[in-house]
Parts: sequence; C-alpha cells; structure tokens
Amino acid sequence: EAQVTQNPRYLITVTGKKLTVTCSQNMNHEYMSWYRQDPGLGLRQIYYSMNVEVTDKGDVPEGYKVSRKEKRNFPLILESPSPNQTSLYFCASSLPPHQGGEQFFGPGTRLTVL
Amino acid sequence: RKEVEQDPGPFNVPEGATVAFNCTYSNSASQSFFWYRQDCRKEPKLLMSVYSSGNEDGRFTAQLNRASQYISLLIRDSKLSDSATYLCVVSAYSGAGSYQLTFGKGTKLSVIP
Repeated sequence: EAQVTQNPRYLITVTGKKLTVTCSQNMNHEYMSWYRQDPGLGLRQIYYSMNVEVTDKGDVPEGYKVSRKEKRNFPLILESPSPNQTSLYFCASSLPPHQGGEQFFGPGTRLTVL
Repeated sequence: RKEVEQDPGPFNVPEGATVAFNCTYSNSASQSFFWYRQDCRKEPKLLMSVYSSGNEDGRFTAQLNRASQYISLLIRDSKLSDSATYLCVVSAYSGAGSYQLTFGKGTKLSVIP
C-alpha cells in the first residue's frame, strides 16, 4: 500500500530536549516536505527537499533541521524544542511539483512542548 | 512574501446548494495549482488539480485565471459528506531547481441537512 508514515503520532516533551520526528514514504517520490498546522495560520511549509541531499528552507524553518540521506526518509529534527513549536506536523511526498505531483500526506504528529 | 489568500468562511449551506470558493495568489510566476480537502484533525488529500483551461470532476469544477491570479472551486449539489475545509495550494519555482508549495489558510464548509 502506497503511504507516508510518521512517528511518533503523539509526543509530549519538555523545552530543550532534542527530538526527531521520522517520515518515510514507499512511493519512490523525489519531493518531500514538512509542514506545521496551527489554528488560524493554516499549513506552513517548514522545509522541503527536491531529492537526496537537496534541502531548502520553507516559510518557517527557524528551530528545525532536516536531512535527506535516502530517498524514502526525511526526518524532522528539533534540536532544542520550545513551547511555540507546539503544533500539528505533517510530512508529505510527491513527484516534483512542477510535474503536477499530488502531495501524499502522512497522518500527522501532534507535538506538545511544555 | 508569497501569499495565497482564501475566503475565510465558514460557509454554511443546505444540502443540494451550489457553493463557490475563491483563492488569489500573489506570485505571478506560480506554475501549478491545486485544491485539497482536509477533514477535521486529518491529513489533507488532493481534491483536484487546476488546469489553465478549467477542469471538471463530477460535481466539482475548478478554474484558473492567470491574468487575475485567481483560482476558483465550484461544488454543485452539495452533500453532507462535502463538509470539510478546502485548501488552495500553489506551486512556484524557488530557484536552484527547487519548487515551493504555499497553502492558503483554508475555507471551512458545513453542509446542513
């Protein structure tokens, strides 16, 4: 089954404790991205990647890191989480956007930073 | 800053009604356009891509006006199951072979029996 998986689905942590949210896709997609969704602000792109070893900042990259060492995986790293990073996070993958690629989203990770 | 603006809603319509959503985008170099649907606390899913000539999929019609930088979505004969938030999405070249996606904040639709 074609899918994007994220782990963990729910996480409560404390300020400053490094965490990683994993994202994996089995569709051989080149394009992957991370979004955060907050009430009243909609979905905002954090980072995106056109292919292996190619990553770019989105609209809200501050406080986040990503890596793309393999095509299927695109982990999101919060080196020192803060309460303003409490949010619902989505990972997505697709063919390159200029090829009209449909974004396939993971189920989301609900993060709370205390 | 590249913006995608949508009607804020919410739209509360009776079953069987026709409803139209509008979306404007600020980046004239935008290349691809989409409508996504998101149910409460779920991941967004593609509803339809938007093509220059306009396109239709059953009860849904999408149109693009590049000159006015405007996208629309028309839903005919609304069903209860159409209740969701509809997201306008725009893709634009961001340099060095990369493309960035920008989402509108979404328009909430509630179809009432």
